[in-house]
Amino acid sequence: NAGVTQTPKFQVLKTGQSMTLQCAQDMNHNSMYWYRQDPGMGLRLIYYSASEGTTDKGEVPNGYNVSRLNKREFSLRLESAAPSQTSVYFCASSDPHRGRMNTEAFFGQGTRLTVV
Amino acid sequence: EDKVVQSPLSLVVHEGDTVTLNCSYEVTNFRSLLWYKQEKKAPTFLFMLTSSGIEKKSGRLSSILDKKELFSILNITATQTGDSAVYLCAVRIQGAQKLVFGQGTRLTINP
Repeated sequence: NAGVTQTPKFQVLKTGQSMTLQCAQDMNHNSMYWYRQDPGMGLRLIYYSASEGTTDKGEVPNGYNVSRLNKREFSLRLESAAPSQTSVYFCASSDPHRGRMNTEAFFGQGTRLTVV
Repeated sequence: EDKVVQSPLSLVVHEGDTVTLNCSYEVTNFRSLLWYKQEKKAPTFLFMLTSSGIEKKSGRLSSILDKKELFSILNITATQTGDSAVYLCAVRIQGAQKLVFGQGTRLTINP
């Protein structure tokens, strides 16, 4: 089982460039999440998707957009990268079906993004 | 605003000591509280707590939830150097399926 797969693992961008972080899960989960992790800040929720076709803002959505392409995939886009977006990004998923909507979240291995 | 606060932010102890990590929360509609351990990369799941007063246990780790006082603790007994990690607490919000994390506690176990 692959679980949650994120690509790329590392990326360096110049200020103003755009890019999309990809996330896919093969566990048939309904809910998917994007977090960023900065030193001493824990995980901060950027956007989440409770089910296919829905997305909602988390704590720190500014500068990001998301797409829940289908049940498997949830992408995060930086339209114009800024140095403040240098961080480690984690995708996660949970909740296999409506009858089981409170399970633990499984995480991808993270994307280390540096904006110079 | 949903908020999860962990304390201490950092803790250094000697191998064999017992540690207690704290997590308090203020959220709109509580569903469950989860504990994770993060070493180099992705967080790995430890416990999920939904009911007050029921201890969850796995080896030397245990956790309990108090829904009246809005907090949880994670205990680790007879610590080992392999317990060194960042421990994360998260709260799931009912309905929205939102999962909000605290800042984490960085635990260092010295031999």
